Amino acid sequence: AQSVTQPDIHITVSEGASLELRCNYSYGATPYLFWYVQSPGQGLQLLLKYFSGDTLVQGIKGFEAEFKRSQSSFNLRKPSVHWSDAAEYFCAVGPSGGATNKLIFGTGTLLAVQP
Amino acid sequence: EAQVTQNPRYLITVTGKKLTVTCSQNMNHEYMSWYRQDPGLGLRQIYYSMNVEVTDKGDVPEGYKVSRKEKRNFPLILESPSPNQTSLYFCASSQQGSGGYTFGSGTRLTVV
Repeated sequence: AQSVTQPDIHITVSEGASLELRCNYSYGATPYLFWYVQSPGQGLQLLLKYFSGDTLVQGIKGFEAEFKRSQSSFNLRKPSVHWSDAAEYFCAVGPSGGATNKLIFGTGTLLAVQP
Repeated sequence: EAQVTQNPRYLITVTGKKLTVTCSQNMNHEYMSWYRQDPGLGLRQIYYSMNVEVTDKGDVPEGYKVSRKEKRNFPLILESPSPNQTSLYFCASSQQGSGGYTFGSGTRLTVV
């Protein structure tokens, strides 16, 4: 079955510290992979996406993610977290070929940033 | 400004009273989708549309209807809402092949 697992429900980091949010997926074919961020009371904003090629992708707001096929993972990283990064983060997987109508989302990781 | 607009943002209704949540996008996107977001469950797809007059069920379509008569609009219809449809709903659109949806700001629905 196709699924996305975000093992960490809630993470707290100190401002300025590095961040890694985990995402593992189960998918029958090579998927497209996405990370979204949801600030309180807002919709979801696309941070970055991986389709093919270089397995390290850069996104907005200083985020990056690395696709590891052997581990079925697509972890999100940021070297230095800012207080404004406090939000909920969702990993998503979709079918390759650009048919984005069928995105499957993880259950999200809520990030808290302490001063 | 490129955006997906949902209305209303908040809605409280009673069981059984038909309602429609509107969704409109100004980006000429082919794909549109409706998702519901519930605590601990993430986002689950209700219905999607790949173009005008082309719609299909997502993972949780029971109790919902959609239509796509125009490319820009994709309303979500609850014919007889029930309390288990209390949720946060998101409409999203995407250009074919581009990858990645643009989401609306959400509609928080409470059915009492």
